[in-house]
Order: sequence, then C-alpha cells, then structure tokens
Amino acid sequence: SAVISQKPSRDICQRGTSLTIQCQVDSQVTMMFWYRQQPGQSLTLIATANQGSEATYESGFVIDKFPISRPNLTFSTLTVSNMSPEDSSIYLCSVSDRTEAFFGQGTRLTVV
Amino acid sequence: DAKTTQPPSMDCAEGRAANLPCNHSTISGNEYVYWYRQIHSQGPQYIIHGLKNNETNEMASLIITEDRKSSTLILPHATLRDTAVYYCIVPNAGNNRKLIWGLGTSLAVNP
Repeated sequence: SAVISQKPSRDICQRGTSLTIQCQVDSQVTMMFWYRQQPGQSLTLIATANQGSEATYESGFVIDKFPISRPNLTFSTLTVSNMSPEDSSIYLCSVSDRTEAFFGQGTRLTVV
Repeated sequence: DAKTTQPPSMDCAEGRAANLPCNHSTISGNEYVYWYRQIHSQGPQYIIHGLKNNETNEMASLIITEDRKSSTLILPHATLRDTAVYYCIVPNAGNNRKLIWGLGTSLAVNP
C-alpha cells in the first residue's frame, strides 16, 4: 500500500495567480498521476509524472498551464498557472502498484 | 473515453445487499475490471478487481459474466458509510495504471 499526503488541502486564490500543489508518497514509485475533478464530475487525468523525465500530458492539458516537477521517487508538484474561475476543482495525486491505485485526499481549489 | 457504462444512481436499504451493475461490452480478453468508490470529499478508494473469475474480499464481491461483457459489484450488507460514488473501470491492457474514469453510480444507502 501507499500513503499519499497532499498540500494544501484547500485554498482560495485570486484569478491570474498560480498555486503549487505538493504530493508526498511514503514509498518510492515510478509513476505519479495528477487528476482534476471539477464540481459534480468524474476524475480527468491531467498528466503522468515520471522521475527523471518530462511529464506526459493528456489531451487538453499543456505544460505551460500545468507545469509538473518530479525531483525524486517520492515527491511531485503540480502548478496551476494563471488561474481563472474555470480552474476551480479538486486536484488529486495518485500512485499505483501492480494491483491498485492510491489517492491523496485532494486539494480543493477555488479561484475568485 | 471510459469503456464502461453504469446507472447514474441507485438506492439501497441499510443492511440489505447493494448490487451495482456495469457494462463493458468492448473489453478485451486480457483486460481487468476494477471497482473504486469515492466517498464525499475524499480521494477514491480501491475496492476490488477481477479478470474472469468471481472475486471476493473483505469489502465486496465481484461477479463477472461468462462473456465478460458485464459485471456486478455486490456489497453484501450495506451500511450508511457505503454511501458513495462507485466507479467501474477497465484500464487499457497495455497500461493498467492509466485509469479512465466514467461518471460512476451514486449509491445512497438509506436507514
């Protein structure tokens, strides 16, 4: 199993600013995943973060808007840049072993 | 797009079995069926997964039809704490760590 800690748990931000979300895992993992969950919606994969290489972004998500760092095998950050109210969502960090995926509690972001 | 379809909502009486269906008619022979749930304001939680045979663990049972085109998650004695959105997911066989999430079934367990 894996225990994931996300910071911050919630934030209210002004439009045009940026927020960096941190994800810490209690074990070394190859791949870390970042998801977005808009209000009342399901999870949408933003990108896969691999240690030592650039993140792989899903269709509709770009590095300039959601830069990701992966400095080691237990840590990653996702930045939401130049925020607008449409970025108000829950952002979730996830890791997987061979059997199941584990999730942090998420970061609830409100952009005003 | 998600490979699965689920009813948007279901109700269940506390103490009764909750049977949540899922259709995955395009599933390939080596693709697993996974179930997760998301309780309000929490991250998703793994429940169970299976390939062909029925599976059971401490949380639930998974019944997969012989043609593998559908499955049912069974919570044998639902409690109020089982109220959540339940997601049935079929990851790509080549990358079973990449999960594509549908809308799931919102299960309400009523007293």
